[in-house]
Amino acid sequence: LAKTTQPISMDSYEGQEVNITCSHNNIATNDYITWYQQFPSQGPRFIIQGYKTKVTNEVASLFIPADRKSSTLSLPRVSLSDTAVYYCLVGVNNAGNMLTFGGGTRLMVKP
Amino acid sequence: GAGVSQSPSNKVTEKGKDVELRCDPISGHTALYWYRQSLGQGLEFLIYFQGNSAPDKSGLPSDRFSAERTGGSVSTLTIQRTQQEDSAVYLCASSLNRQVDQPQHFGDGTRLSIL
Repeated sequence: LAKTTQPISMDSYEGQEVNITCSHNNIATNDYITWYQQFPSQGPRFIIQGYKTKVTNEVASLFIPADRKSSTLSLPRVSLSDTAVYYCLVGVNNAGNMLTFGGGTRLMVKP
Repeated sequence: GAGVSQSPSNKVTEKGKDVELRCDPISGHTALYWYRQSLGQGLEFLIYFQGNSAPDKSGLPSDRFSAERTGGSVSTLTIQRTQQEDSAVYLCASSLNRQVDQPQHFGDGTRLSIL
């Protein structure tokens, strides 16, 4: 059961790059790392997923070092609408494994 | 529908009553998950289904909580003899299957308030 640790909150300004790091020291070999975004009164929304090295999509990049004991979500040029809670999830979508969400990082983007 | 649908969106009930929460997953998704989120907190995993089977029920907080899934589709989470500490948002998610690279798609939850 991989436990995750994230900063509780972060502040940024519009147009800046934001990097949120998640620690998962006891990640298992088969575990993937997935990041979600949650706005108030909504369910979490999938952002990006990776296993190792770097993954990039239209909204974010995910950096995973060789030891996979941490991961960093990178949001380029944030806007006010990126203000949300960001969760990293480490776990195996296979029978017998519980999925663990971190406590989430509350990102506040200021004008 | 296109996404995961949960009903009701809000539920207020008196302590001691039973409540039933419903989740309609994305069509074709075989895996279904229930989570609980207390105010300002992270997500607490409760239970998952692969098809109609729930291999691991250890995340359920007490024996007052139960869940079932029928026809590999709709799932209900039942809380008997509700207590005030059951007040939370109950989130449901589904994924295509339980393969390692399948992300979860969440509904917007049921906000449960126990008076």
